[in-house]
Amino acid sequence: GNSVTQMEGPVTLSEEAFLTINCTYTATGYPSLFWYVQYPGEGLQLLLKATKADDKGSNKGFEATYRKETTSFHLEKGSVQVSDSAVYFCALSGSGGSNYKLTFGKGTLLTVNP
Amino acid sequence: GAGVSQSPSNKVTEKGKDVELRCDPISGHTALYWYRQSLGQGLEFLIYFQGNSAPDKSGLPSDRFSAERTGGSVSTLTIQRTQQEDSAVYLCASSPDGTNTGELFFGEGSRLTVL
Repeated sequence: GNSVTQMEGPVTLSEEAFLTINCTYTATGYPSLFWYVQYPGEGLQLLLKATKADDKGSNKGFEATYRKETTSFHLEKGSVQVSDSAVYFCALSGSGGSNYKLTFGKGTLLTVNP
Repeated sequence: GAGVSQSPSNKVTEKGKDVELRCDPISGHTALYWYRQSLGQGLEFLIYFQGNSAPDKSGLPSDRFSAERTGGSVSTLTIQRTQQEDSAVYLCASSPDGTNTGELFFGEGSRLTVL
């Protein structure tokens, strides 16, 4: 079945540091890939997505590239801010008739200090 | 508001009691999902509704769990004879339809604690 593995947290960085959160996946077919973010006290929200190989998703300075050859979708940001402190979840959709179903990683807690 | 609304936000119950968790999706969204987030675990899929029907119930952990959706809108997740291992955050999400090239809109969740 489908699975997502993302780096264990917590991750603690200083403001303006470079961020990478690794995500690898196992899937059949051609899933879409997502990063969701959960800010304190809020529901999960979509951060970015990529629907096919070599696509790059980007939003709010975050980027991730769909790498089929390495089955990866690593999240990066060049300069983090205190407001980026949140839990980040990597996810993939099912293929074909089950494309409504998302499989999530366990989440990575990011804390950014001033 | 315009987002997904869940109630209660927190529920503490005793082992063996029944609980109901409610989800009010975004108006017009035909697809509705329930997920469970246990401590240290990712989000676990429970059930998917398209309109009032549930074509995929494969994630419900046992027959103590059931869910329904009425009027193509509000959904209720019911857990009978609760056990301590049911303690988790139950998340509801909706989307305009069931295709996941789009995005899911999540509520803030209902935190269930079974004593």
